[in-house]
Amino acid sequence: GAVVSQHPSRVICKSGTSVKIECRSLDFQATTMFWYRQFPKKSLMLMATSNEGSKATYEQGVEKDKFLINHASLTLSTLTVTSAHPEDSSFYICSARDSSRGPDTQYFGPGTRLTVL
Amino acid sequence: KQEVTQIPAALSVPEGENLVLNCSFTDSAIYNLQWFRQDPGKGLTSLLLIQSSQREQTSGRLNASLDKSSGRSTLYIAASQPGDSATYLCAATAGNMLTFGGGTRLMVKP
Repeated sequence: GAVVSQHPSRVICKSGTSVKIECRSLDFQATTMFWYRQFPKKSLMLMATSNEGSKATYEQGVEKDKFLINHASLTLSTLTVTSAHPEDSSFYICSARDSSRGPDTQYFGPGTRLTVL
Repeated sequence: KQEVTQIPAALSVPEGENLVLNCSFTDSAIYNLQWFRQDPGKGLTSLLLIQSSQREQTSGRLNASLDKSSGRSTLYIAASQPGDSATYLCAATAGNMLTFGGGTRLMVKP
């Protein structure tokens, strides 16, 4: 079946540094990828929609200058948390839409746990 | 704006019990309704997907139903096992968006 990978799976960084998270669709082309974040014991919240070759669409309340998204190819989207602070510590999950299987088929990555000290 | 609610937020049952998790959504114009499982600190595992034209889907001990008109979906787990302990999330798809419920944390005690 379709697989979406994320790298790294876990990252610990110091406050003020930037962290890049990669989301890859391994066996299909994804024109659209989505980024979610999940706080402890909370549900997933959509942060932004990443479209290949164009600017990402951010949800209300998500700072686009804080969370930089780049979708440079049909198999890769990256999320960069710039100048990370402890409140950015969270679980970040991406999903990728397999266009060949219809508009509503999304496959989720395993997630990246970010801890900012 | 779509809102998805899951009840109960937490559930603890003895092994072997049959149980039902509930999911309700406010906007019935959905393409599909999905149920996911999430283990602590892990990503999502898709369990069942019900298209808007369908009434239910079954996979092993799991059965999910969908009633669009009333804005409800249920996940039925038969003969629960300790390995079923996890958080179960439902998500409604409309257009480009998946809207997740808050999840139900299930604990199945041996």
